[in-house]
Amino acid sequence: DVKVTQSSRYLVKRTGEKVFLECVQDMDHENMFWYRQDPGLGLRLIYFSYDVKMKEKGDIPEGYSVSREKKERFSLILESASTNQTSMYLCASSVLGVGRTEAFFGQGTRLTVV
Amino acid sequence: GQQVMQIPQYQHVQEGEDFTTYCNSSTTLSNIQWYKQRPGGHPVFLIQLVKSGEVKKQKRLTFQFGEAKKNSSLHITATQTTDVGTYFCAGYSGSARQLTFGSGTQLTVLP
Repeated sequence: DVKVTQSSRYLVKRTGEKVFLECVQDMDHENMFWYRQDPGLGLRLIYFSYDVKMKEKGDIPEGYSVSREKKERFSLILESASTNQTSMYLCASSVLGVGRTEAFFGQGTRLTVV
Repeated sequence: GQQVMQIPQYQHVQEGEDFTTYCNSSTTLSNIQWYKQRPGGHPVFLIQLVKSGEVKKQKRLTFQFGEAKKNSSLHITATQTTDVGTYFCAGYSGSARQLTFGSGTQLTVLP
């Protein structure tokens, strides 16, 4: 079974803190994604990466950065957390290319910024 | 950038009634995928459609991909309480590696 593991299920951080969300996948997938999920807004893409050290902005990258130093690990960084970044964060991975390219999701990290 | 709209946002049905959710993309998609998210869970892949006009069935679920590859639908026949959850469509467009999700349709099935 494909496994995508996020480092924390729940996090509470203070405004202004630097926050790291970690994601590891074990299926040698090229693609990795970070989404945030808010009620009524669906899944909004923050950043994605299709190779080590490669990253591309999604639809809402402001206030976030990412790091992909190893193929299996994709980190989301909140440089200075703010209350409007309180949300559910979902990491996903998929193969790159043709054929079945479904995304496999981690269990999510519910981040609260106080 | 690519936008994927989904309607309705919410749908309440009596058990046994049918349900349909619709997905529209602002750009042509190379494929369309559908996911289901149970309450408290994460999205789980249901199916992928690739060809223009393609129709696929999974038991009571029927998925369609439009001729122009810009829209899709999911139809559930005779809903059951186990169908409760949020259904998302998602698509890659052209050579983009970006997987964009729709806003989802939250289905409630009343017993």
